[in-house]
Amino acid sequence: GENVEQHPSTLSVQEGDSAVIKCTYSDSASNYFPWYKQELGKRPQLIIDIRSNVGEKKDQRIAVTLNKTAKHFSLHITETQPEDSAVYFCAATPNSGYSTLTFGKGTMLLVSP
Amino acid sequence: KAGVTQTPRYLIKTRGQQVTLSCSPISGHRSVSWYQQTPGQGLQFLFEYFSETQRNKGNFPGRFSGRQFSNSRSEMNVSTLELGDSALYLCASSLRVGRGLNEQFFGPGTRLTVL
Repeated sequence: GENVEQHPSTLSVQEGDSAVIKCTYSDSASNYFPWYKQELGKRPQLIIDIRSNVGEKKDQRIAVTLNKTAKHFSLHITETQPEDSAVYFCAATPNSGYSTLTFGKGTMLLVSP
Repeated sequence: KAGVTQTPRYLIKTRGQQVTLSCSPISGHRSVSWYQQTPGQGLQFLFEYFSETQRNKGNFPGRFSGRQFSNSRSEMNVSTLELGDSALYLCASSLRVGRGLNEQFFGPGTRLTVL
């Protein structure tokens, strides 16, 4: 089955800096890669996703890149703000007809003012 | 549209008991997946239901079961509770049109504590 590794487990940045979270996956059949943000005590919320036919996708301060050859994808947050502080999860799913997501272990991002 | 809802939000049970959790998906969503979230193991897939049928199952013991009703609402049941079952149980719904690749939206979760 799919295995997703996520790094780093914690990341501390100063407000205004950029943050990068990296994930690798094992199943070459995976072709949908969402990122979720989970604030303390709240539900995971989808913030951006990318599909295998796209190499990069941007949404304001957030971008995701995908390298299918190397089986890794990354989340980039620019101009970080304190409200970006949360746990971020990457996930992968193969095009098998299921909606099953395999998640990375999460990255706790702390943005200091 | 109302989001995914889960009831109850909090549960305290003792070892050996059983528990039933409920999930109501976003209106029109036909797929419901369940995940267990713990500090040590992160988010782990339990099972997915679509059109009242279990379509996929994660690596959990048979004590974990579920079902889906004709209105797409889903329940999961855990029998003979163990201390290690303490976790946040999240359900997620998606449209699931065609073969996968549909965004999943999570409910607020049910926090289960087993004493």
